[in-house]
Amino acid sequence: EAAVTQSPRSKVAVTGGKVTLSCHQTNNHDYMYWYRQDTGHGLRLIHYSYVADSTEKGDIPDGYKASRPSQENFSLILELASLSQTAVYFCASSLGDYAEQFFGPGTRLTVL
Amino acid sequence: GDSVTQTEGQVALSEEDFLTIHCNYSASGYPALFWYVQYPGEGPQFLFRASRDKEKGSSRGFEATYDKGTTSFHLRKASVQESDSAVYYCALGDNNNAPRFGAGTKLSVKP
Repeated sequence: EAAVTQSPRSKVAVTGGKVTLSCHQTNNHDYMYWYRQDTGHGLRLIHYSYVADSTEKGDIPDGYKASRPSQENFSLILELASLSQTAVYFCASSLGDYAEQFFGPGTRLTVL
Repeated sequence: GDSVTQTEGQVALSEEDFLTIHCNYSASGYPALFWYVQYPGEGPQFLFRASRDKEKGSSRGFEATYDKGTTSFHLRKASVQESDSAVYYCALGDNNNAPRFGAGTKLSVKP
């Protein structure tokens, strides 16, 4: 069965620190996505990738970098974490633009 | 750019009530349309998809029909159960464009 895993599942970071969220998929999908979800709100696209070694900016890329070193792995990097980046982060993968996305379980990030 | 609008932010129903969640979209191309469901503490799960006009998607008693004329993909279920309580997202996927999700609709069903 298709699987998207995220690590860590929960993280507490200090303001100004560097945070790396990791995503691994075994779906053999080319497309991968990072979203953030704030309490009581919907999904907002941060970065996405169509192919390894290439990333695209989503709707809210400021303060985030992304890295796609292989088809299976997609990381989200917060170089200087801020309080406003406290949220739940979801990674997803899909076969393409017209295909459904498979989501990971999420990472709860708290920046203090 | 492409967009998805869900009219209802929250819907409160009793068991066996009929459910409608409205979804309208705007797209330059001919997108695929999706419904996802998210239970508390989990990631969204794919519910079903439709990719052409008049196509009906369905799963677990939920259904929606792709209507290009009214640019809509409304989610319906004839008789909801308490276990259907969740957040529902309408989404679209279009060629060479970033995916678009609606704001979500929180469904609460009381027994």
